[in-house]
Order: sequence, then C-alpha cells, then structure tokens
Amino acid sequence: DAGVIQSPRHEVTEMGQEVTLRCKPISGHNSLFWYRQTMMRGLELLIYFNNNVPIDDSGMPEDRFSAKMPNASFSTLKIQPSEPRDSAVYFCASTPDGRGNSPLHFGNGTRLTVT
Amino acid sequence: DAKTTQPPSMDCAEGRAANLPCNHSTISGNEYVYWYRQIHSQGPQYIIHGLKNNETNEMASLIITEDRKSSTLILPHATLRDTAVYYCIVRAGVGAGSYQLTFGKGTKLSVIP
Repeated sequence: DAGVIQSPRHEVTEMGQEVTLRCKPISGHNSLFWYRQTMMRGLELLIYFNNNVPIDDSGMPEDRFSAKMPNASFSTLKIQPSEPRDSAVYFCASTPDGRGNSPLHFGNGTRLTVT
Repeated sequence: DAKTTQPPSMDCAEGRAANLPCNHSTISGNEYVYWYRQIHSQGPQYIIHGLKNNETNEMASLIITEDRKSSTLILPHATLRDTAVYYCIVRAGVGAGSYQLTFGKGTKLSVIP
C-alpha cells in the first residue's frame, strides 16, 4: 500500500506563473480531499470530491484556484496566476467513502513557495 | 466555532505513557472522536477514532468518558518519534456534513529523553 502520493514535494515559482499540484489517492478510495496548511490559518479544507465529482468547493479561496478529478486515480489542484499569499503546504487525502466512520489518509504534501 | 479544546502543549518523558486530554462538551450522539498527529514536515497521520466505547490499536488507546464530553489519547510508551502535534477532532457520523474533518490547533507533544 503506497499511500496517497503527491507531487511535486516542493515547488518554487514566481508570482503570476501557473502552478499544478498532483495527487494519486489510495486505490479503491472513492473520496478525495485537498487541504491547505499555513501558520496563520492552520489546516483548511479546500475541496472535496466523491466518485470524481466535486461535492464541496466552498473552501477554494478564489477563482484563481481550480481542482479536477478526471478519474478515480488522479486529481490536480491548479493555481493561475499564483500570488505570494498562496505560499503554503497543500495536502491531498483520500478515504474509502465520505462517511464519518471512514478515516482520511493524507499524503506528505506539496510545499509551495511563490516569490 | 471550536468543537474541541486541547492544551496547547505537553511534555512527556521517553518511555512513559503520554496522556493527551480533549474536551468536547457539545458533542452529539452520532459524532465520532478522531485523533490525528502531524510530525514536522509530514502530512497528518490517522491514529484512532471512536464513538462511545474505548478503542485500542497498535498505535494508541482512546478512552471516552461515559457522558462523551471528553476523551484521552494514550500513547503507552512514548518515544522521541512521537514528538508531534496531536489533533482531537469531532466528526459527524452521518448526514451531509459527515465528510468534514476540521482541524483545530492541537496539542504540541514533546517527548523528552
């Protein structure tokens, strides 16, 4: 069991550039989450997918952020254009289903730095 | 709108049991108590969860009071690798919001040699 796989582990980019973060959930998991962690705001849910469909995107900061899940084994989080305040660690998590008795399993994150 | 209250930090001697408290006085009947930890530079790691009964797995034990208003996570023999931020989270068991896992500030546990 490889766990949730995220890439890249680190990303440094300049303001205004497009950034794409990638996530491969655990095989067989039907629910996928993107979280963001900053010192100021802690861990925040950005978006939740169930069976590849976005269910709750109320945490997405603004239109510069978009997320897709084209199939059950892959998701992307895109920021276009990026800004320095987007600097954070972005985590992907998956779970067999979205029910309360089903633990989320997190990847090791992508540390994004926007200069 | 915090659903849980945890001490900001705790110390524990290596080899001793670490007992991490959590208050969740407004928990409702179908809400689970979850514990996660986050070691520096890693993603949150699932530890254990429970509804009413005490639970034990290879990592820890979870003791939930009979009125369910508080719980304690027990690491039976703490090691230096257990130094981390520990999060106690209340999560709905059923319903539209049951996917929600909302993290607070947690307890920073330092295991001392």
